[in-house]
Amino acid sequence: GQQVMQIPQYQHVQEGEDFTTYCNSSTTLSNIQWYKQRPGGHPVFLIQLVKSGEVKKQKRLTFQFGEAKKNSSLHITATQTTDVGTYFCAGPPNYNTDKLIFGTGTRLQVFP
Amino acid sequence: GAVVSQHPSWVICKSGTSVKIECRSLDFQATTMFWYRQFPKQSLMLMATSNEGSKATYEQGVEKDKFLINHASLTLSTLTVTSAHPEDSSFYICSAGHWSYGYTFGSGTRLTVV
Repeated sequence: GQQVMQIPQYQHVQEGEDFTTYCNSSTTLSNIQWYKQRPGGHPVFLIQLVKSGEVKKQKRLTFQFGEAKKNSSLHITATQTTDVGTYFCAGPPNYNTDKLIFGTGTRLQVFP
Repeated sequence: GAVVSQHPSWVICKSGTSVKIECRSLDFQATTMFWYRQFPKQSLMLMATSNEGSKATYEQGVEKDKFLINHASLTLSTLTVTSAHPEDSSFYICSAGHWSYGYTFGSGTRLTVV
């Protein structure tokens, strides 16, 4: 079955440093979504990417979808303590489903 | 935006008893809802797809007789953990939405079986 891996598993950064998490799927994805889960909370939808090579920005966050639609990345510029949490990518296991398979996640810790 | 309400937020039950978790879409109709399970410091694992008016679709390895799902209306899905045991202790989360605009998650239910 489909596997979605993320690296790194953990990342500790000093406030103000940049952060990147990478997402790799074993299969081609029709779309990829990114979610953030704060400690003790539930996942919150951040963005969706659909097109090959697509890049989207949300303030300090930049999301990319690979040309082959099998990988994606999330880059945070100048991290803040409010960025703390676990970032998950997620995608459907095939083109004919609304299900999502979540990546393994990257936990970000930001030190002030 | 879309709101999904999940209750209870936490529950402690004795081994062998059953626990029901409710998931409601408050401002939209959801013909499909999804149930996930999450162990500490791990990712979300999709358990099943809840389909309004029909049987749920379970993922491989998930016992359908243990995790009963009912989706009787367009705004309510329930997950019942039957004959719970300590290994069923986990964080259970539901979600609803559509791939084109993202999914909204409930606040989750932390189940502890003692």
